[in-house]
Amino acid sequence: GDSVTQMEGPVTLSEEAFLTINCTYTATGYPSLFWYVQYPGEGLQLLLKATKADDKGSNKGFEATYRKETTSFHLEKGSVQVSDSAVYFCALSDPSSGTYKYIFGTGTRLKVLA
Amino acid sequence: DAGVIQSPRHEVTEMGQEVTLRCKPISGHNSLFWYRQTMMRGLELLIYFNNNVPIDDSGMPEDRFSAKMPNASFSTLKIQPSEPRDSAVYFCASSPGLQETQYFGPGTRLLVL
Repeated sequence: GDSVTQMEGPVTLSEEAFLTINCTYTATGYPSLFWYVQYPGEGLQLLLKATKADDKGSNKGFEATYRKETTSFHLEKGSVQVSDSAVYFCALSDPSSGTYKYIFGTGTRLKVLA
Repeated sequence: DAGVIQSPRHEVTEMGQEVTLRCKPISGHNSLFWYRQTMMRGLELLIYFNNNVPIDDSGMPEDRFSAKMPNASFSTLKIQPSEPRDSAVYFCASSPGLQETQYFGPGTRLLVL
């Protein structure tokens, strides 16, 4: 079945450092890919998405490119801030598999130090 | 615009009691999803509705769990009787349609003693 694998956390960075959180997926069809962010005590917020190969999603300085050849959707940010500290979830949706549910990765906790 | 609204935000109950979680989706959204989040299992989809009709409840853990959507603006997730292993954060999400982006509520943190 479809699955999403994220790098283990926690990731601890200093402010203004470069961020990469790896995400790879397995899917039978042509999924849409998402990054969600969860701040402490809150629900998940959509950060960015991409719906087809080579699409780049971007928001708030974060970017991710849908790479079909490597089945990856890595999240990047050039300069992180303390306010980016949160848990980041990679997810896919693959209706061609017969369901509309999202498959989530296990989440990667990011901690940014001032 | 109001996002997805969930209530209560926190619930503490004793084993064996009935628990009802509530969700109001974003107005105009036709699809509604219930998820459960635990440290051990991460985020799991329990059930989803489209146009108030349950489409897939294969994620509901057992018969103690039930969900309803009596109209387009309200859904409930009920656990009866509750058990300590049901302790988790329960999220509701809605989307304009099944294939469109899901928007999550703030969650209900449930603790069953």
